[in-house]
Amino acid sequence: GAGVSQSPRYKVAKRGQDVALRCDPISGHVSLFWYQQALGQGPEFLTYFQNEAQLDKSGLPSDRFFAERPEGSVSTLKIQRTQQEDSAVYLCASGRKQGINEQFFGPGTRLTVL
Amino acid sequence: SQQGEEDPQALSIQEGENATMNCSYKTSINNLQWYRQNSGRGLVHLILIRSNEREKHSGRLRVTLDTSKKSSSLLITASRAADTASYFCATDVYAAGNKLTFGGGTRVLVKP
Repeated sequence: GAGVSQSPRYKVAKRGQDVALRCDPISGHVSLFWYQQALGQGPEFLTYFQNEAQLDKSGLPSDRFFAERPEGSVSTLKIQRTQQEDSAVYLCASGRKQGINEQFFGPGTRLTVL
Repeated sequence: SQQGEEDPQALSIQEGENATMNCSYKTSINNLQWYRQNSGRGLVHLILIRSNEREKHSGRLRVTLDTSKKSSSLLITASRAADTASYFCATDVYAAGNKLTFGGGTRVLVKP
């Protein structure tokens, strides 16, 4: 049984570059979440999708961050004009349905902005 | 900002000993969950306790919840070297949708 997968696992970007991070949730999971985890800290919420609808994007730190899930399955988190403070691990999680909130996390993408 | 704070930040114990960590939070919650994260890996769900529950067990794990004190504890009994990881509490807050708000984590080292 496949879990949540993310790609790439590691990404190094020069400051100012755009990056795209991919998340493949568990098949059939309705909910999809993106979190940002700085070194030594707990994850912080970025955005939430229910199917293809982005219901909450209150955690996106700036308008350089954009997420989509056009067909209600795979999601992409895009960061434009990356800055050094964007360096973090980006975690994706999926959940079966709204209400029962156990989330299944992917391994994360470690982004380093030089 | 993070809703929860965990105590201690780090814990070092011998294999076979029990490990206890605490989590405090600020607002009313729907449920509280505990996750484990091994170095460089994603989070693994351990246990969920609802706001109307006071205690829950799963294998060697025991979780308590005191909503009057806005706190929870995670006890790992008879620890093993494989329990070495960071442990995070996460709350699901009313009127905040389904997002989880995590604490800063407790780093547990179990020495063989």
